[in-house]
Amino acid sequence: GQNIDQPTEMTATEGAIVQINCTYQTSGFNGLFWYQQHAGEAPTFLSYNVLDGLEEKGRFSSFLSRSKGYSYLLLKELQMKDSASYLCAAMDSNYQLIWGAGTKLIIKP
Amino acid sequence: DGGITQSPKYLFRKEGQNVTLSCEQNLNHDAMYWYRQDPGQGLRLIYYSQIVNDFQKGDIAEGYSVSREKKESFPLTVTSAQKNPTAFYLCASSTGLDSLYGYTFGSGTRLTVV
Repeated sequence: GQNIDQPTEMTATEGAIVQINCTYQTSGFNGLFWYQQHAGEAPTFLSYNVLDGLEEKGRFSSFLSRSKGYSYLLLKELQMKDSASYLCAAMDSNYQLIWGAGTKLIIKP
Repeated sequence: DGGITQSPKYLFRKEGQNVTLSCEQNLNHDAMYWYRQDPGQGLRLIYYSQIVNDFQKGDIAEGYSVSREKKESFPLTVTSAQKNPTAFYLCASSTGLDSLYGYTFGSGTRLTVV
């Protein structure tokens, strides 16, 4: 079956770095997406990876290893506004998105 | 500015009633989607549409219905056949099913059965 796993909750300190991991198992693969969702709001697109390696976008970076079925989202210089849920989603061979349950990130001062 | 508008933000339904959730986009996107979000679970696809007058069932279509009469609009009806409708409903759109630019989401409708 198709499956996405990511930690339920993580805690980090303001100004620090945090890495949110995601492992996936899909029928075919057309890329891995990361979204940010603040409580009660719409998810917003953060990144897309389809080739192995690291994509950097400001304070946020996303990494993909296709052979390992693994991705991570790296957040640097954490700010209080980064407190949110981070959703990992893999696109299968039919271009359907398979979603993880999300990782709730709590930032402490 | 372009975007997706969902309404209402909060909706209360009595047992046995049908309710319709609105979703409108002005992004000129061809594809539109309805997801359900429950605590501790990933987004689950209810229905999607790639083109006007055509739509496909997602993983949890039972008890729901949709229409796509206009490119901009993709309303979702939650029927009385849906046994557990209390959830957060998200509408999304993309340039196409194979869009590599991700989906744009609406701000959601929280439906509660009373």
